[in-house]
Amino acid sequence: ETGVTQTPRHLVMGMTNKKSLKCEQHLGHNAMYWYKQSAKKPLELMFVYNFKEQTENNSVPSRFSPECPNSSHLFLHLHTLQPEDSALYLCASSQVARGNYGYTFGSGTRLTVV
Amino acid sequence: AQTVTQSQPEMSVQEAETVTLSCTYDTSENNYYLFWYKQPPSRQMILVIRQEAYKQQNATENRFSVNFQKAAKSFSLKISDSQLGDTAMYFCAFMKGNNNAGNMLTFGGGTRLMVKP
Repeated sequence: ETGVTQTPRHLVMGMTNKKSLKCEQHLGHNAMYWYKQSAKKPLELMFVYNFKEQTENNSVPSRFSPECPNSSHLFLHLHTLQPEDSALYLCASSQVARGNYGYTFGSGTRLTVV
Repeated sequence: AQTVTQSQPEMSVQEAETVTLSCTYDTSENNYYLFWYKQPPSRQMILVIRQEAYKQQNATENRFSVNFQKAAKSFSLKISDSQLGDTAMYFCAFMKGNNNAGNMLTFGGGTRLMVKP
């Protein structure tokens, strides 16, 4: 157990479905992140939340909608996705302004859009 | 904007031998941090080693060490006495210092390392 938990581990959804990915951290960190990991592409930063406020939206399509109700939880709401959105979605957390010790990652949600 | 480049998509090494993974980066920042992450088949990204740009001494963590060449913007990872459990994807990553909006990591494309028995 790493302290960052992502659910579900696998998700298959149709293009008309609505689903949500959940991330929870138990490390007392104040920043949380969503990354997309596609085959043969570098990890892409999607969203950053710092003290529950969104500080970065990296030109992500509106069919991805993040939510951060508190500093321990982060959601990624999905609707009307496209097959090219199939990827591994990684959540991470960090403690901002404490020496930049990097992130703690979850194990990811493998998303398949059919 | 920062970029991170890993020029070796795949590498292999015999168990117990030493291997070096390459990473170069481009930035105009003077204060930053560099990281190597390991992603085994279990998918979870695990921090291997961290380097602060203002420290000249190369970071070491047990069998893992780096060769940090700031002027050349190079940050290679050396794995000594390779073990089968070292088989994984390895990602080099860059983070600006003094970023209170969130510590955003920029990743390289990764190097797939296979340790052979």
